[in-house]
Amino acid sequence: SQKIEQNSEALNIQEGKTATLTCNYTNYSPAYLQWYRQDPGRGPVFLLLIRENEKEKRKERLKVTFDTTLKQSLFHITASQPADSATYLCALGFGAGNNRKLIWGLGTSLAVNP
Amino acid sequence: EAGVAQSPRYKIIEKRQSVAFWCNPISGHATLYWYQQILGQGPKLLIQFQNNGVVDDSQLPKDRFSAERLKGVDSTLKIQPAKLEDSAVYLCASSSLWGEQYFGPGTRLTVT
Repeated sequence: SQKIEQNSEALNIQEGKTATLTCNYTNYSPAYLQWYRQDPGRGPVFLLLIRENEKEKRKERLKVTFDTTLKQSLFHITASQPADSATYLCALGFGAGNNRKLIWGLGTSLAVNP
Repeated sequence: EAGVAQSPRYKIIEKRQSVAFWCNPISGHATLYWYQQILGQGPKLLIQFQNNGVVDDSQLPKDRFSAERLKGVDSTLKIQPAKLEDSAVYLCASSSLWGEQYFGPGTRLTVT
């Protein structure tokens, strides 16, 4: 069956450390993968997109890797801050042009403690 | 640029009543999505529009849910009649050419 799995347990880390979140999937072949942040009572906010032919993408303190052999993406937040506390969602992307579609994971809750 | 607008933000109805949600996407975004998000889960796609045409409505419970995007801009999602299990947040999103989606604040629906 097709599955997307993110860290099932909430992640608690100390301020200044690197947070690493995982997204594993089975029986999918996504063309790209996206990461979003969601705060309570708000809609998800787009963070990063990585395509199947890319190994790594960076944006400020964020880094995403994508291993299509392992069927895994890792999302890193370096020098974490309490303001990074949120739920992080990965989404597998399919299609192109006008027919793009995302399949979403359940999300991982991250708490950064001061 | 203005973001995705949704209304109302909150709605409480009794089961078997009807409800409608409205969404205005980011200007120029041709693709519009309606999602249902239950607490602790990721968004579940209900329907995807490309301009005013439906691209995917495979997970829309068509016996009670309907959606339209008549002029290819704003959209409405309706539930009639509502069930207890429809209690959730309904998110509207629109996407740019590269596929990243921009979400509205959502409508929290409580069915009692």
